[in-house]
Amino acid sequence: AQTVTQSQPEMSVQEAETVTLSCTYDTSENNYYLFWYKQPPSRQMILVIRQEAYKQQNATENRFSVNFQKAAKSFSLKISDSQLGDTAMYFCAFKGQGGSEKLVFGKGTKLTVNP
Amino acid sequence: GAVVSQHPSWVICKSGTSVKIECRSLDFQATTMFWYRQFPKQSLMLMATSNEGSKATYEQGVEKDKFLINHASLTLSTLTVTSAHPEDSSFYICSAETDLGNTIYFGEGSWLTVV
Repeated sequence: AQTVTQSQPEMSVQEAETVTLSCTYDTSENNYYLFWYKQPPSRQMILVIRQEAYKQQNATENRFSVNFQKAAKSFSLKISDSQLGDTAMYFCAFKGQGGSEKLVFGKGTKLTVNP
Repeated sequence: GAVVSQHPSWVICKSGTSVKIECRSLDFQATTMFWYRQFPKQSLMLMATSNEGSKATYEQGVEKDKFLINHASLTLSTLTVTSAHPEDSSFYICSAETDLGNTIYFGEGSWLTVV
């Protein structure tokens, strides 16, 4: 079974600085998808970024980028120019390639951006 | 990104009554939807996987007769909490898988309070 580990329960960063959230996973599959979701106090789960395992190029979405190391099974999220609105829980998630595959979540990292 | 709408956002019901929560994919067809429950300061707990036109697949420990899931169309899944009790009070959130199966988007979530 797949597992996802987020080793940082809480992190903080100063506004405008850069922060990296860690995520490692375990799987025997070769093709899969990885996601980072943001959950602000409103509790809505917002898709931040996704990565397809067969793509070597790291995904980027504006200030958000990932460092995907397939061999090491690592999928870290870098937030550049942190903003107060980035304060939230961040969940790393794994999804197998097949249809109807459920997401496997890490326990989350609580990120606080300080003014 | 794709939009998944969940309704109602907040609901209060009396103990012993039933309450229905709707999850709609607004701009894509979702063969598969997922229902989660989230306890305070925890990650999402998958309750069931809902497939259009067939019976839902429930996770171990989830009472299928208490949490009725219907996925009658490619854009709508419903969760009905039957004979609700105060311990069912929680945050419930749905998600929908895109037709390519490579991304999962979440609804806004529903707060249920049973009094």
